[in-house]
Amino acid sequence: AQKITQTQPGMFVQEKEAVTLDCTYDTSDPSYGLFWYKQPSSGEMIFLIYQGSYDQQNATEGRYSLNFQKARKSANLVISASQLGDSAMYFCAMREETGNQFYFGTGTSLTVIP
Amino acid sequence: KAGVTQTPRYLIKTRGQQVTLSCSPISGHRSVSWYQQTPGQGLQFLFEYFSETQRNKGNFPGRFSGRQFSNSRSEMNVSTLELGDSALYLCASSLVRGRADTQYFGPGTRLTVL
Repeated sequence: AQKITQTQPGMFVQEKEAVTLDCTYDTSDPSYGLFWYKQPSSGEMIFLIYQGSYDQQNATEGRYSLNFQKARKSANLVISASQLGDSAMYFCAMREETGNQFYFGTGTSLTVIP
Repeated sequence: KAGVTQTPRYLIKTRGQQVTLSCSPISGHRSVSWYQQTPGQGLQFLFEYFSETQRNKGNFPGRFSGRQFSNSRSEMNVSTLELGDSALYLCASSLVRGRADTQYFGPGTRLTVL
C-alpha cells in the first residue's frame, strides 16, 4: 500500500484565493511526522511545514497551514491568499519513528491564475 | 548557515560510463539521503547515510552506490550508466534521524545520459 497518497495531479487557483491540497497517509506507527515541500520549476525542494503525530494543534507557518485529521489519516495543506509565486509542485511526506525513511507522495501541481 | 550543496549541478554522460555526485550537508547535520526524480517515476528514495553507515536503501540496482565521510559529506556513484538513469538527483540532510527531523534539500544534480 502507498504510504502517502496525493490524489490531485493538478490544481488551479485564482490569485488571492485559498487552496487546499490533499494528502492521506498510511502507517501503523503511532509516532510519525508529516511534512510538506514545494518544488518550483528550478527543481529545489523547499520545506514548508511540519506536523507531528502527537501535536494537538494544526501547524501554521505564515500563509501555510496544515489541516491534520489524525483519525482520517489526512494532512491537507492549506495555502491562503495565493500568489503567483506559489505556482509549483507540492509534495506531502511522512517520516515514521521506526525505520526513519522519508516517504513522499506523487505531488500536486498548483497553478495560480492572475 | 549555508544550505545543502550539490556538485556538479549539471552533468552529461554517455551510456556505459560511470558518474559520481557529491553532496555537502548543512553544517551539523549527520543524516544524508539521496533521491532520484524523473517525470515518469516521481521522487524515488535511493539510500540514507548516518554516521558513515547506510541505514536505509531503496529499490535500486547495485549500480547505484553511495558512501558518507566522517565530515558527513556524501557521494553517490552510478556505474554503467543507462539512458533511464537520466534524472534529477536530489540530496537531503537532516540533523539526526527522528520523526521530527526535517530534511533540507540541495538544488540537485541534473544528469543526462546520451
